[in-house]
Amino acid sequence: SAVISQKPSRDICQRGTSLTIQCQVDSQVTMMFWYRQQPGQSLTLIATANQGSEATYESGFVIDKFPISRPNLTFSTLTVSNMSPEDSSIYLCSVTGTGGRFEQYFGPGTRLTVT
Amino acid sequence: TQLLEQSPQFLSIQEGENLTVYCNSSSVFSSLQWYRQEPGEGPVLLVTVVTGGEVKKLKRLTFQFGDARKDSSLHITAAQPGDTGLYLCAGALDTGRRALTFGSGTRLQVQP
Repeated sequence: SAVISQKPSRDICQRGTSLTIQCQVDSQVTMMFWYRQQPGQSLTLIATANQGSEATYESGFVIDKFPISRPNLTFSTLTVSNMSPEDSSIYLCSVTGTGGRFEQYFGPGTRLTVT
Repeated sequence: TQLLEQSPQFLSIQEGENLTVYCNSSSVFSSLQWYRQEPGEGPVLLVTVVTGGEVKKLKRLTFQFGDARKDSSLHITAAQPGDTGLYLCAGALDTGRRALTFGSGTRLQVQP
C-alpha cells in the first residue's frame, strides 16, 4: 500500500483565517479523497480530488470554503477557508489501492483547532 | 440519516471476552471494508469483503458479508487491550462510484 504523509500534523488557528493542508503520496495514484472527522465522530467525505480538473464535492461542501488542488498524481492540498470553531476537526486524505476492490489508504490526519 | 448504521456505538469489555459489531444498510454494496483507527492516526484497513456470504478471518477477528451484500459483522474472540480503538465499516455502493460511505463507528475499549 502507498505511504501517505500530511502536513501539518496539527495546528491551532484563529477564526477568520485559512489553513492549507498538504497530502503527499510516495507513488502515483489515480484517486485521492479528502475527509473530515469531527470530534468523536466517523468520517465524512468532503470531495474527490481530480488530477487536472476541478474537485468533485459532496453535498454540504463547497469549493469556496474548501478549495482543493491536485497538480499531479502524488500530491494534493485542501484549504479550509475563513475558519470558525465549527471547522475544528481532523482532516484526512486517502488514496485508492490498486486491487480494484475500492480499498482506501489513509494519511495520519491533520488535527485542526479553531479558536 | 446514516447510510451505514453500526451497533453498538460504544463497547467496554474485559480482556478475554468475545464481541460482535454490526454494520447494516438498506443499500447494496459492491464491497465493504473494515478499518480500525487509534487516537492520533488515520484509519487502517483490516479487511475487504466482496462476495455475498463471504467470511474472512484475521487472527482473532472474523468478518462476514451478508448474503445480500447489505450488511456485515465483525466478531472478535478473546479480546485484548491492543484491540482498543474505533472500528469503522465502509462500503462502496453498487453504482460503480469509487468513493466510500463510512458507518457511524464503534468505539471499543478492552480493559486489562
